[in-house]
Amino acid sequence: KQEVTQIPAALSVPEGENLVLNCSFTDSAIYNLQWFRQDPGKGLTSLLLIQSSQREQTSGRLNASLDKSSGRSTLYIAASQPGDSATYLCAVTPGDEFYFGTGTSLTVIP
Amino acid sequence: SQTIHQWPATLVQPVGSPLSLECTVEGTSNPNLYWYRQAAGRGLQLLFYSVGIGQISSEVPQNLSASRPQDRQFILSSKKLLLSDSGFYLCAWTVPYPDTQYFGPGTRLTVL
Repeated sequence: KQEVTQIPAALSVPEGENLVLNCSFTDSAIYNLQWFRQDPGKGLTSLLLIQSSQREQTSGRLNASLDKSSGRSTLYIAASQPGDSATYLCAVTPGDEFYFGTGTSLTVIP
Repeated sequence: SQTIHQWPATLVQPVGSPLSLECTVEGTSNPNLYWYRQAAGRGLQLLFYSVGIGQISSEVPQNLSASRPQDRQFILSSKKLLLSDSGFYLCAWTVPYPDTQYFGPGTRLTVL
């Protein structure tokens, strides 16, 4: 069964720093990988989706990469801001089901 | 545009009471629908998903059940709640090609 791991579990950085969040998965037979953001007590907000044929996707200050053969994805956040503080989750899907990591809790210190 | 609704937003129920959480999607047809549970400090646990009316796949054996009486309606139920059913329940749907998943606002359930 697919297992998704996110390291680190928590991360604290000063405002303005660039940072990288990691996501790894055990089964490379995925259809796509999706990154989400979750604010406390809220639902998940989709940030980026990378299809299995793609290597990366960009949206504003966010850049997500995918190396399917090694089972890894990274989410790069440039020039971090306090408003970026949230939990970031990645999910992979081989089709109908989605497998989520446990998330990285990010705190950006003003 | 598509939107997803969940209600209620919060719920406090005694042990042994029944449960009914509803999720509806607007602006699309024949979506894949999902119920997840997120316990405090833990990741998302997929409970049920549905690829069509009356089609329910269960991921975890438990005292919960799901039904899809209409194309864009997904209901999570229980006949008797347990303390361990407390958590944050999230409904989600998928936009096909590519399969992008979108989430509702969630229901915070506390069983006392």
